[in-house]
Amino acid sequence: GAVVSQHPSWVICKSGTSVKIECRSLDFQATTMFWYRQFPKQSLMLMATSNEGSKATYEQGVEKDKFLINHASLTLSTLTVTSAHPEDSSFYICSARTSINYGYTFGSGTRLTVV
Amino acid sequence: QQQVKQSPQSLIVQKGGISIINCAYENTAFDYFPWYQQFPGKGPALLIAIRPDVSEKKEGRFTISFNKSAKQFSLHIMDSQPGDSATYFCAASIGAGGTSYGKLTFGQGTILTVHP
Repeated sequence: GAVVSQHPSWVICKSGTSVKIECRSLDFQATTMFWYRQFPKQSLMLMATSNEGSKATYEQGVEKDKFLINHASLTLSTLTVTSAHPEDSSFYICSARTSINYGYTFGSGTRLTVV
Repeated sequence: QQQVKQSPQSLIVQKGGISIINCAYENTAFDYFPWYQQFPGKGPALLIAIRPDVSEKKEGRFTISFNKSAKQFSLHIMDSQPGDSATYFCAASIGAGGTSYGKLTFGQGTILTVHP
């Protein structure tokens, strides 16, 4: 079945630095990638939608200059948290839309802790 | 109108019992209704999904019941096991299954605990 590999699974960074999270579709082409943020014991909150080769579409209230999304190829999308602050600490999850079963495949998530 | 409301927030069931989680939606344009299971520190995994042209779908111990007129759908887990203890999310989207489909709207989640 469709697999999305997300790395790193966890990362600790200092306040003010940038962190990059990668999501790769291993056995299919992901024309669209969704990026979510999830706080403890809460639901997934969509941050942005990216289509290969075009600019990402951000949800209301999400700072596009802070959360940079790149979807340069059909198998790779990245989320860069720039100038991270402790309030950016969260669980970030990517999801790829597939044409195999018209479903959505999720990555395993990245736990970001900003100290 | 884009919301999906999920209940209960938490659920405790004895091993072998039936777990039932309910969701309600407002947007009649939704046409894809998946359920996801999430373990701590992991991404959601698709359990089962249904489209509005059927009223029920069963896969193993998991069944979705769908009531289009009431705009409600539910997940039934039969013979619940301790390994089923996880957070469950319902979701809905518009246009899934075609060449263009959109964002998933998630319910608030249900923490299921199955006692041995």
